[in-house]
Amino acid sequence: KNQVEQSPQSLIILEGKNCTLQCNYTVSPFSNLRWYKQDTGRGPVSLTIMTFSENTKSNGRYTATLDADTKQSSLHITASQLSDSASYICVVSLNSGGSNYKLTFGKGTLLTVNP
Amino acid sequence: DAGVTQSPTHLIKTRGQQVTLRCSPISGHKSVSWYQQVLGQGPQFIFQYYEKEERGRGNFPDRFSARQFPNYSSELNVNALLLGDSALYLCASSTNYGYTFGSGTRLTVV
Repeated sequence: KNQVEQSPQSLIILEGKNCTLQCNYTVSPFSNLRWYKQDTGRGPVSLTIMTFSENTKSNGRYTATLDADTKQSSLHITASQLSDSASYICVVSLNSGGSNYKLTFGKGTLLTVNP
Repeated sequence: DAGVTQSPTHLIKTRGQQVTLRCSPISGHKSVSWYQQVLGQGPQFIFQYYEKEERGRGNFPDRFSARQFPNYSSELNVNALLLGDSALYLCASSTNYGYTFGSGTRLTVV
């Protein structure tokens, strides 16, 4: 069964600190992996997207890594800000053939940044 | 360039009623997908449409239906609403590489 597991479920850190979120997946055949940030009650916003051949991708203070052999990804947030408080969702794209791509979502890590 | 737009943003319905949610994709995107996100959970796949044809269906009852129009906009219909249908309904439009989500429709069934 195609699954995406994220850890931790929730995380509280102080403003200015760094943190790392984890994502393990069993989706196959793998197309790409994305990290999204979702504010409460809003739609997810893409942070990074990585294909099989990419090991790391940065977007400002966000850096994602991908190990396709172990099927693990991480999202590292540097110098956290209060506005980073959100749910971070790992999404793996399954290539069903042609233009048909199915997304499998993790349940997300709820990050709270406190002053 | 407009992103994915969904309407309405919020909706309150009574059990047993029917609801229609609407989604306009990014210009040039031919694929639209619908997701249901219950509070505290990740989004669950409902439907994918590409060029007006259904390309995928998640594990949802037949009360859920959708369609895509020639301009690639889409509607999600839910009949005989249950309390458990209360959720954020997300629409995503996509090309072969990227997905962009709308802000969602918050449906509350009372």
